[in-house]
Amino acid sequence: DQQVKQNSPSLSVQEGRISILNCDYTNSMFDYFLWYKKYPAEGPTFLISISSIKDKNEDGRFTVFLNKSAKHLSLHIVPSQPGDSAVYFCAARKKGWGKLQFGAGTQVVVTP
Amino acid sequence: ETGVTQSPTHLIKTRGQQVTLRCSSQSGHNTVSWYQQALGQGPQFIFQYYREEENGRGNFPPRFSGLQFPNYSSELNVNALELDDSALYLCASSADRVDTQYFGPGTRLTVL
Repeated sequence: DQQVKQNSPSLSVQEGRISILNCDYTNSMFDYFLWYKKYPAEGPTFLISISSIKDKNEDGRFTVFLNKSAKHLSLHIVPSQPGDSAVYFCAARKKGWGKLQFGAGTQVVVTP
Repeated sequence: ETGVTQSPTHLIKTRGQQVTLRCSSQSGHNTVSWYQQALGQGPQFIFQYYREEENGRGNFPPRFSGLQFPNYSSELNVNALELDDSALYLCASSADRVDTQYFGPGTRLTVL
């Protein structure tokens, strides 16, 4: 039962341009959402999160947007840099629960 | 501040054997969560330990068990290994049950 979906397995973007990663969820009980980045042979690294009471959260080059009515969130990376090449995971959590449910990930490749 | 560490890095076992994986939490964190990540998929929640007690479990059979120690380090034990247990096992620590989870580098388990 895949409650968090990342429908794009890969994304290629030029250095300096915007990367937009998308994530959809089905469970309306989710109230907190996170993005993690993962390099090969390393564990996921926390990037940015958003609570369901907000629709936008920014941290430097990273912005997460949440559309609760559409059960959709997106991560914008501006400008994209070669070091951003990694797998990005969207994760969601229900209120009061520690369990994170992850999407399958999107491989981002930033080309010069 | 020391991050989350896991040992061993890699492990090869045969079907039917038992394995113990270890995790040291980030300083100041009292909660540990374990995840299994199969190839090409996102991490799947196994269970969470908070102050030495299990605090939630995912859809994994009882042969997956865990412990958390007074210093908040943790072990994941898997009995009667099956081929499908081959995966990356990730440990994440957090300051509390619903705080942001920070991941270790993982243990790559191969079952032959």
